Amino acid sequence: ELKVEQNPLFLSMQEGKNYTIYCNYSTTSDRLYWYRQDPGKSLESLFVLLSNGAVKQEGRLMASLDTKARLSTLHITAAVHDLSATYFCAVVRGGSQGNLIFGKGTKLSVKP
Amino acid sequence: GAGVSQSPSNKVTEKGKDVELRCDPISGHTALYWYRQSLGQGLEFLIYFQGNSAPDKSGLPSDRFSAERTGGSVSTLTIQRTQQEDSAVYLCASSYSGTATITIYGYTFGSGTRLTVV
Repeated sequence: ELKVEQNPLFLSMQEGKNYTIYCNYSTTSDRLYWYRQDPGKSLESLFVLLSNGAVKQEGRLMASLDTKARLSTLHITAAVHDLSATYFCAVVRGGSQGNLIFGKGTKLSVKP
Repeated sequence: GAGVSQSPSNKVTEKGKDVELRCDPISGHTALYWYRQSLGQGLEFLIYFQGNSAPDKSGLPSDRFSAERTGGSVSTLTIQRTQQEDSAVYLCASSYSGTATITIYGYTFGSGTRLTVV
């Protein structure tokens, strides 16, 4: 059974600081997604990582994937308040297409 | 449509009543997924429709839950004899089928239906 674990589940950080969110998954998959969810809103796609060593960056967020370690990281650089949200990683069950299995999410709060 | 549309956006029902939640996927998306998100929790997979194939119902929590997808488009999630633990946000998503197109276009989520059972 595919399991996806994120840590930390809660993260409070000050503006300007850096931090990393970790996502571990239990079985082989070659698609990993990161989503952002604002309170009361739906999920916004951030990144899709397709292969070992893949790295993608958008603004202050950078995601990477190590398929051998079954680990993805979401690195936040010089956090700003607008990044406050819940971040989810998700892995495709069955490898490349099918339903997503989500981690429990990391609730990020960036304080001035 | 431009996005995945879900209705109603909010539903309050009495314990024991049946409810129907609707999802209208993006035109051309052949795959459709239902998830449940309880307060402060992650997304729990419920059911997955892929084209004309039999749906993957492995995530449905009990036989009170069922879903249909008519004509390969609109889907309805039905919860019979609702219980308080069914209170959650029910999210629908859709995607193209096929590895390449999913890779390019990803999964698109609707805004959800917030179900409250009182």
